[in-house]
Amino acid sequence: AQSVSQHNHHVILSEAASLELGCNYSYGGTVNLFWYVQYPGQHLQLLLKYFSGDPLVKGIKGFEAEFIKSKFSFNLRKPSVQWSDTAEYFCAFRPGGYQKVTFGIGTKLQVIP
Amino acid sequence: EAQVTQNPRYLITVTGKKLTVTCSQNMNHEYMSWYRQDPGLGLRQIYYSMNVEVTDKGDVPEGYKVSRKEKRNFPLILESPSPNQTSLYFCASRDRGYEQYFGPGTRLTVT
Repeated sequence: AQSVSQHNHHVILSEAASLELGCNYSYGGTVNLFWYVQYPGQHLQLLLKYFSGDPLVKGIKGFEAEFIKSKFSFNLRKPSVQWSDTAEYFCAFRPGGYQKVTFGIGTKLQVIP
Repeated sequence: EAQVTQNPRYLITVTGKKLTVTCSQNMNHEYMSWYRQDPGLGLRQIYYSMNVEVTDKGDVPEGYKVSRKEKRNFPLILESPSPNQTSLYFCASRDRGYEQYFGPGTRLTVT
């Protein structure tokens, strides 16, 4: 079955630390990949997406993600986190040819000032 | 302003009392869906709609109904709510680039 997994469910970092959140999917064909962010009490917003081309995707607020096809991964990174990055982050993917987008269970990031 | 709206934002109800959560989008999107968000389970799709009068089950459709009579509206109906439907519900619409636009959420408590 097609699925997406996020390895870290709860991450605590100090401000200025670097961030990497893992995301792996299971599907052998082409995929579209997304990262969404949910700030406390708010709805989900798109951070970035990958469809094709350059596997290194840059999003809003200094986030980036790298698609590594051989590893079925789409990890989210940020070189230096801020307190305002405290939120829950969801990886999502859409197998090519399908309409449905499947979400991971989310990673809660807490940034300590 | 492009947006997805949901009402109500908060609802406390009792078991068995029918309720409807409305969802409306102003972006002329064809695809809309409903999700529920539960701690440790992430977002799970309840129902989706590819266009007017075209709906289909998602991963957790039991206990829910939807309708899509107009392109902009996609209400979620709980005919006989039960406590296990206590959750945070999000409506979303999607553009052709598969980016989803989420509503603000409806926090439902069924006692």
